[in-house]
Amino acid sequence: DVKVTQSSRYLVKRTGEKVFLECVQDMDHENMFWYRQDPGLGLRLIYFSYDVKMKEKGDIPEGYSVSREKKERFSLILESASTNQTSMYLCASSPPGTGGSGYTFGSGTRLTVV
Amino acid sequence: AQSVAQPEDQVNVAEGNPLTVKCTYSVSGNPYLFWYVQYPNRGLQFLLKYITGDNLVKGSYGFEAEFNKSQTSFHLKKPSALVSDSALYFCAVQGYNFNKFYFGSGTKLNVKP
Repeated sequence: DVKVTQSSRYLVKRTGEKVFLECVQDMDHENMFWYRQDPGLGLRLIYFSYDVKMKEKGDIPEGYSVSREKKERFSLILESASTNQTSMYLCASSPPGTGGSGYTFGSGTRLTVV
Repeated sequence: AQSVAQPEDQVNVAEGNPLTVKCTYSVSGNPYLFWYVQYPNRGLQFLLKYITGDNLVKGSYGFEAEFNKSQTSFHLKKPSALVSDSALYFCAVQGYNFNKFYFGSGTKLNVKP
């Protein structure tokens, strides 16, 4: 069964800490995405990547960075965590090219910044 | 610009009754439309998609959706709701940049026994 795995289900971090959220997929997908989910706002795209060492900003990249050193792994980095980054973070992957290929999502990481 | 609207934050329905969760979209060109479901503290699971062809699309768990181009809508439906259908439902459109999705704000479905 194909999977997108997020390393942590729940995280609690302190304000100012550097936080790493890890995502690994086993489907050999080129495309990987990081979203945050907040009530009433749906899913908002933070960053995405079409290939190794490649990244593009999504709609809300401020305060975040990403790393994609290997095809299967896409990391989201909060350089200096703040309380307004408390949220559910969802990783997804998809194959390249033609439209109509859906995302496969991880189970999510619920991050609380105190 | 691509966008999706889900006008209802919450839909309440009695078990056994039909349900509809509404979605409208705005996209350049032909849309690729999706519905996803999210159970508590879980990621999103694919339900169904419309790419082309028949306007009525059938998906997982007995759900279906009707694509209406003139009304730019893609409403999710089920003839007979189950309590286990209670979850958060997201509509999404995959626009001109095929690799990028745009999600609605989500609709919480409550099915009461």
